[in-house]
Formats: sequence, structure tokens, C-alpha cells
Amino acid sequence: EAQVTQNPRYLITVTGKKLTVTCSQNMNHEYMSWYRQDPGLGLRQIYYSMNVEVTDKGDVPEGYKVSRKEKRNFPLILESPSPNQTSLYFCASSLNRGYYGYTFGSGTRLTVV
Amino acid sequence: DQQVKQNSPSLSVQEGRISILNCDYTNSMFDYFLWYKKYPAEGPTFLISISSIKDKNEDGRFTVFLNKSAKHLSLHIVPSQPGDSAVYFCAASAISNTGKLIFGQGTTLQVKP
Repeated sequence: EAQVTQNPRYLITVTGKKLTVTCSQNMNHEYMSWYRQDPGLGLRQIYYSMNVEVTDKGDVPEGYKVSRKEKRNFPLILESPSPNQTSLYFCASSLNRGYYGYTFGSGTRLTVV
Repeated sequence: DQQVKQNSPSLSVQEGRISILNCDYTNSMFDYFLWYKKYPAEGPTFLISISSIKDKNEDGRFTVFLNKSAKHLSLHIVPSQPGDSAVYFCAASAISNTGKLIFGQGTTLQVKP
């Protein structure tokens, strides 16, 4: 089944403790992206990647890092999480820069206390 | 600066009637527009899209209209069904921003039986 898989689904962590949210897609898509969803703000793009080793900042990249060492994986790294990074995170992939629509994962609910 | 805006946080319609969801954008460089649907506890799913060279695209019960001069697009659902109750996001992309997809805040649609 074609899908984008994120892990974990739920995570509660403490301020300053480094964490990684994994994302993997099995559709051989070139484009991958991370979004966060917050009430009243919709979906905001954190980082995106156009191919292996090619990444760029979205609208809200501060406090996040990404890497794209393999085509299928695009992990999101929070080096020192803070409470304002409490949010619902989505990973997505696309064959062609979103023209055919990004396929989204099921989301990761992150709480930073 | 919110480049894509959905000014109605919620909309309620009766089953069988038309639902009209609206979206405005400010960036004249946007050349592709998409609508996504999101159920609780799931990732957004691609619904329908339109290129800036068109003013209408239809897919079954869903039609998207684009008015470039007004920088406005709308999604029509006819007839509305209770299963259409979800959050709807519009999104926009520009060829100069490869991979960057900007979303609106979302509109929650409730279709009453």
C-alpha cells in the first residue's frame, strides 16, 4: 500500500531533550515536506526537500533540522525542544512538487513540557 | 503575513444542499491551487486542484473555481453529504518556489442530515 509513515504517533517530552520524528515513504517520491498544524494557523511548512541531499526552509524552520540522506526517509529533528513546539506534525511526499497533491502521513502529536 | 486566507472558520449546511468554501490569496506568483480534506486523527488528503491557466475544474461532486483577477478560489460541493463533514484546507504553489506549498487556516464544514 502506498503510504507515508510517521513515528511516533504521540510523544510527550521535556524541554531541551533532543528528539527525532521519523518519516518514510514507499512511493519513490522526490519531494518530501514537514508541516505543523496549530489552531487558527492552519498548516505551516517547516522544511521541504526536492531530492536526496537537497533541502530548503519553509515558513517556520526555527528550532528544527532535517536531513535527506535517502530518497524514502526525511526525519525531523528537534535539537532542543521548547513548549512552543507543542503541535501536530505532518510529513508529506509528492511526485511532482505538490502538483499532484502531497500524500500526508497520519500525524505526530508532540507535547513539550 | 498570511498569503493564503480562509476567512470562514466554519460552515454548516443541510444534506443535499450546496457547500461553498472560499479562499483568498495575495501572491500573484501562485500558479497552482489545491484543496485538501482532513478528518480528525488523520492526515489531510488531496481532493482537487486547478492550474492558473484554467478557471474551473470539476471532479464528481466537487468543483473548484478560480478568479485570478480577484485572487480568489472557491470549492463547491454539490450535493453535500454528511460524510463531507471535515476540515477543508486550500493551498497554493508557485513555480519559483519548488516544493513549497502554502496552506490556508482551514474551514470546518458540517453537513447536517
